[in-house]
Amino acid sequence: AQSVSQHNHHVILSEAASLELGCNYSYGGTVNLFWYVQYPGQHLQLLLKYFSGDPLVKGIKGFEAEFIKSKFSFNLRKPSVQWSDTAEYFCAVSPGGSARQLTFGSGTQLTVLP
Amino acid sequence: NAGVMQNPRHLVRRRGQEARLRCSPMKGHSHVYWYRQLPEEGLKFMVYLQKENIIDESGMPKERFSAEFPKEGPSILRIQQVVRGDSAAYFCASSPNGAGTTNEQFFGPGTRLTVL
Repeated sequence: AQSVSQHNHHVILSEAASLELGCNYSYGGTVNLFWYVQYPGQHLQLLLKYFSGDPLVKGIKGFEAEFIKSKFSFNLRKPSVQWSDTAEYFCAVSPGGSARQLTFGSGTQLTVLP
Repeated sequence: NAGVMQNPRHLVRRRGQEARLRCSPMKGHSHVYWYRQLPEEGLKFMVYLQKENIIDESGMPKERFSAEFPKEGPSILRIQQVVRGDSAAYFCASSPNGAGTTNEQFFGPGTRLTVL
C-alpha cells in the first residue's frame, strides 16, 4: 500500500518569499502524483499533476513541482508567494495507469502574511 | 457546468441515528469516490463506485457503512448507528472515466458530519 508524508504541518511566510513544501511517498511501482489546494471555505482544487514525461510540472497560479524518482519526492514550489496563497496544500498519489484511489498526505497549512 | 455537488453541507446526528450523505457528480462523470477527513488528518479513501457497481471498497469500515451509486440519482454514503468517532468531513469526487492516465478527480465541497 502506498503512503504519503508531508513534513511541514504549518508554514508561515511573508509575501514575496519563496515556497517549497515537501512531499515524499512510499510505493514500489509507477505512480501518478498530485498537489491539491483547499482555500478557506472552499473545496479541494487541483494545482498540478504528474503522470509521465518531464519531471518538472507547471501548474496553475505560478506553482510548479518536481518529481525526483530516486528520492520518492514531489515537492511543490513557488518563487514568490502572495497573501491569496494562504490555504491548505495536500500532496496525493495514485497507482500508475489510472487515477483511481488517491492516497493523501496529512496536509500543510500555509499562512502568508501581508 | 456545475461541479460536484454534495448535500447536506452540514449534518448533525445523535449517537445511534443514521446519516445519509449525497453526492451528485459532474455532468458526464460516471465514476464517484468517497473520502473521509478526520480532524488534523489528510483525506482517506473509502470507496470507488461506477453506476450500479462498487469497484473498490477497501477503505470502507466493515460495519455500519455502505455506499451506492444507482442508475438514476446521486451517490449515497450511508452510515448506520453513528458514533462520535464518525464525526468528520466526508468528501466526494468524480471523474469521467476510472481508467486512463489523464483523468483527474474533481472534488465536491464536502459534508461535515457532527455526532453528538
